Parts: sequence; structure tokens; C-alpha cells
Amino acid sequence: SSELTQDPAVSVALGQTVRITCQGDSLRTYYASWYQQKPGQAPLLVNYGKNNRPSGIPDRFSGSISGNTASLTITGAQAEDEADYYCNSRDSSGNHLWVFGGGTELTVL
Amino acid sequence: QVQLVQSGAEVKKPGASVKVSCRASGYSFTGNYMHWVRRAPGQGLEWMGRINPNSGGTSFAQKFQGRVTMTRDTSISTAYMELSRLTSDDTGVYYCAREGDYDWEIDYWGQGTLVSVSS
Repeated sequence: SSELTQDPAVSVALGQTVRITCQGDSLRTYYASWYQQKPGQAPLLVNYGKNNRPSGIPDRFSGSISGNTASLTITGAQAEDEADYYCNSRDSSGNHLWVFGGGTELTVL
Repeated sequence: QVQLVQSGAEVKKPGASVKVSCRASGYSFTGNYMHWVRRAPGQGLEWMGRINPNSGGTSFAQKFQGRVTMTRDTSISTAYMELSRLTSDDTGVYYCAREGDYDWEIDYWGQGTLVSVSS
């Protein structure tokens, strides 16, 4: 399958925990990667593989997988976390393709 | 440090082609695949394809098959993406992005190139 499904929008109160999900058949085979994109900026990798964070990414960003659903959890959301979040993985068709989810707009209240 | 520096903004007429460059530095250019991703206004990120800078081998999203070409010049550590038969729907920001070394993640991104298609 070549689709990853995300909720279009999610909101969280400042300091609370929010989970952003990504669903797709390819996630049964390949890990999801997660990207944060703020207006006017390039995407930023925040989590990948079996819950790995690039250098400089706060540990409040964590990743997990259950069946065909990957999740990005932000524990103690900060105002600066307000952004669009995208999941991404390889397509499981075997054709060396990648696919992005439709994105989730996160609002921090 | 890894850097991907893209060429400047472009304005094109419908039916024309655009070629965007992406100069890599701070790592071995032939050691990592290079992806191209675009974001159209009001839309999400869209994967276009990737190139193996070592072999030149490519794979493309079905949507862009027949319209996109990806090439590279290893002598100057630069990747190129050319999109032909442009329409207004191709207006957007185009990013080059390096595939990482671990779990198929895309770890470094260029700054983006705005392509505007208008008559």
C-alpha cells in the first residue's frame, strides 16, 4: 500500500501530552520517520526508527509503533512545538518508493 | 557539518521546464541517496523521487513518472531535479533531502526552492 493516514489537526494544552498518529500498511514492514515543519522553514527530522532522536531534538519527542500505526508523542508540549507534523516511510510495494502522510497541524493552546 | 544548498527561486510559464540544483557538502556525496520533496500551497509534503548519487539510479513517485528527471554531477557534489510540462499545480517549494544511514529516515534538508508557474 502507498498511503499513510494522519489526522488533519490536533490541539494540546501547554505542558500537556499529545499523540500524533500515522496509519498505513507499510508500517508493518518499515519504520516511520517524523518531521516537524514550521511556516517558511524546511522540514526537520524529529524521530525515526525504533524511537531515535537526532542530535538536538528534545527528549519530549518520542516515537512508537503498534501494528500498522506509528505514533509521535510530545510529552509536555511547548509553545514552540506548534507546527505541522508529517510521518514518512518506505512504500511496502517493493518498488523503492517513499510516501508521506497528509500531515497533522498541531496547535498548542 | 552536512549542508544542502539549493538554487534560487524560479518563475516559469505553463508548459516550460524547471531544473533545480542541490549542492551537498560536509559528507561523501555518493554515500547517501538524495530525495526530492515538494510542498504546494495549502498542501502537505509530497515525495517525488530519489537518486542514488553513486550509480545514478532513480525511482519516482507514479504521479511524476514521465515528467521528472533526476541527475547528479559527482565532480561537484550536486544533484539536479528537472520537472517538465509545468502547470500551475506545480507551483510550490521543492526540497532536496538526504537519506540517512539507519532506518530510511531523511535526515538533512535543503532550504527549499520556490517554483512559481504562471502565465
